Amino acid sequence: DTEVTQTPKHLVMGMTNKKSLKCEQHMGHRAMYWYKQKAKKPPELMFVYSYEKLSINESVPSRFSPECPNSSLLNLHLHALQPEDSALYLCASSGTSYNEQFFGPGTRLTVL
Amino acid sequence: RKEVEQDPGPFNVPEGATVAFNCTYSNSASQSFFWYRQDCRKEPKLLMSVYSSGNEDGRFTAQLNRASQYISLLIRDSKLSDSATYLCVVPERMNYGGATNKLIFGTGTLLAVQP
Repeated sequence: DTEVTQTPKHLVMGMTNKKSLKCEQHMGHRAMYWYKQKAKKPPELMFVYSYEKLSINESVPSRFSPECPNSSLLNLHLHALQPEDSALYLCASSGTSYNEQFFGPGTRLTVL
Repeated sequence: RKEVEQDPGPFNVPEGATVAFNCTYSNSASQSFFWYRQDCRKEPKLLMSVYSSGNEDGRFTAQLNRASQYISLLIRDSKLSDSATYLCVVPERMNYGGATNKLIFGTGTLLAVQP
């Protein structure tokens, strides 16, 4: 079952709100990723977790805070976002190096 | 030179046509390559993986030319449902020993199959 799930599907939040995005996979993958995608652009990597440890932060502002509670779950905590943070946020997972990444359906975030 | 380059298109083709996309990459050490397909407002979905000279799956054929550092995707007998953006993706190994890679995406090629 090559499925990555994400909740919520859509999220509208004000600039003072705190919200969280959730991602789950049950494929036994040991690496999980957060991407941000703006319209008509390819996905941009934000964070990588490997074996539940944060291994890569692509210079993402601190208003985005990732968390990996266990090997199947990945969260992205949002606080004090800006309207330009509005985008599709994609979670992905992969088995090992050079393996394909499988993407979840994404959360479409709008910041007012 | 960009790390992964694709012609953005759009490619407008009639149903039943054969269409080919090319992608060039800059890292000569790259060992594997992927084509993803992304429908409007949806997530990228893996279409094909290429680890050696090429791969074929039904109407889709991917070919790799390491000497020239390009990968191609050929779609035969195009269907309306093939309309999407096709992303050429080259993994970059992360040098810390973990089991991950960073995907370097091309900008994508938009295909519109016309009835």
